[in-house]
Amino acid sequence: GAVVSQHPSWVICKSGTSVKIECRSLDFQATTMFWYRQFPKQSLMLMATSNEGSKATYEQGVEKDKFLINHASLTLSTLTVTSAHPEDSSFYICSARVPQTSNQGYYGNTQYFGPGTRLTVL
Amino acid sequence: GQQVMQIPQYQHVQEGEDFTTYCNSSTTLSNIQWYKQRPGGHPVFLIQLVKSGEVKKQKRLTFQFGEAKKNSSLHITATQTTDVGTYFCAGPKAAGNKLTFGGGTRVLVKP
Repeated sequence: GAVVSQHPSWVICKSGTSVKIECRSLDFQATTMFWYRQFPKQSLMLMATSNEGSKATYEQGVEKDKFLINHASLTLSTLTVTSAHPEDSSFYICSARVPQTSNQGYYGNTQYFGPGTRLTVL
Repeated sequence: GQQVMQIPQYQHVQEGEDFTTYCNSSTTLSNIQWYKQRPGGHPVFLIQLVKSGEVKKQKRLTFQFGEAKKNSSLHITATQTTDVGTYFCAGPKAAGNKLTFGGGTRVLVKP
């Protein structure tokens, strides 16, 4: 269980175009999804938290008008990179929050990641 | 703000040897999680530790949560080439469901 898909897996586009990336939870409902950006050999940088039915919350320094996030259903969040430029080239990964419980009740969240989208802007 | 640090950044291991990677948080954590990312892949959830001093094992991997719930370790015994990848620890941020990821330990195995 807890499978997350992402589409496309890679995309090459010209500078100035917009690119939409889809993130889907396949076998569970995800009220919260996350979008990360990862540069080569570096850690995951959280860009924003996507909340179903409400506006996304962005991390400091991330331009909300540049990276548009829509979480229209419990299984789909989209990230649109608007007017992409070469510096936007990166590996974009989404994840979905899966609450963890035990016989002692709720104790935390884990995240299940999609396979990622490699964006190259020429 | 909260910081999660991992050492070492790189770990070169001879196949068959053991090694340990460490994770330290600047704040007390309610839980700590470990993820593995293979080269060219995406992070995959390995385990979550919740209790102070908790130790969990997954085959050749042993995870430990410190008594003060500010640090954790991952020990791998008899390293295999399948262990190649980057291991990230992550702790929840004080508010909300977000995670703070450490910088990762990149493991390279020499056959």
